[in-house]
Amino acid sequence: QVQLVESGGGVVQPGRSLRLSCAASGFTFSSCPMHWVRQAPGKGLEWVAIISYDGSNKYYADSVKGRFNISRDNSKNTLYLQMNSLRLEDTAVYYCAREIPQQPFDYWGQGTLVTVSS
Amino acid sequence: SYELTQPPSVSVSPGQTARITCSGDALPKKYAYWYQQKSGQAPVLVIYEDSKRPSGIPERLSGSSSGTVATLTISGAQVEDEADYYCYSTDTSGNRGVFGGGTKLTVL
Repeated sequence: QVQLVESGGGVVQPGRSLRLSCAASGFTFSSCPMHWVRQAPGKGLEWVAIISYDGSNKYYADSVKGRFNISRDNSKNTLYLQMNSLRLEDTAVYYCAREIPQQPFDYWGQGTLVTVSS
Repeated sequence: SYELTQPPSVSVSPGQTARITCSGDALPKKYAYWYQQKSGQAPVLVIYEDSKRPSGIPERLSGSSSGTVATLTISGAQVEDEADYYCYSTDTSGNRGVFGGGTKLTVL
């Protein structure tokens, strides 16, 4: 069965960096575009970034562009989100999600909480 | 930046029809998708490409789109349909995603 397991969340000070990982299993990871989506406490969903199946194309939300970098290692079936220059407003649960043809976010991970606090 | 607009809340009695709208300038050219999120859980895709239902989603959930407005309809809403619902689409380039602000559906 499809599984997405995020890790790497935690408490970090403003201005510091953190790297999230998403381990995928149960499907052909190297064939699927992948997304990061976040949800601040008590707030709605916010799309963060997408990476193409082979990593050649990446796009970001304006709120994270220039600070976050999405990447993938298809040999390890793992998706990453490198988050730099973190701000208080980056505090959220971060989800990785799969995209298949016609159906973005058909599977989601359970999420990992990132708290940016001084 | 591109935005999708949803009403913050919709309330219906059990058995009634609930309609949740999503407005966006690019919707005439881009599909809308709908996600259901219950408290403490990850979202679930309930409608894709405006009106298609993934397997396992009840037939009482349906979607439509006309012009700049996409609509999620829950016919004969049940208590278990209480959740937050989010629409999703992309900007006109198709490269950047955007979620609506979410609508809290109350069935009581």
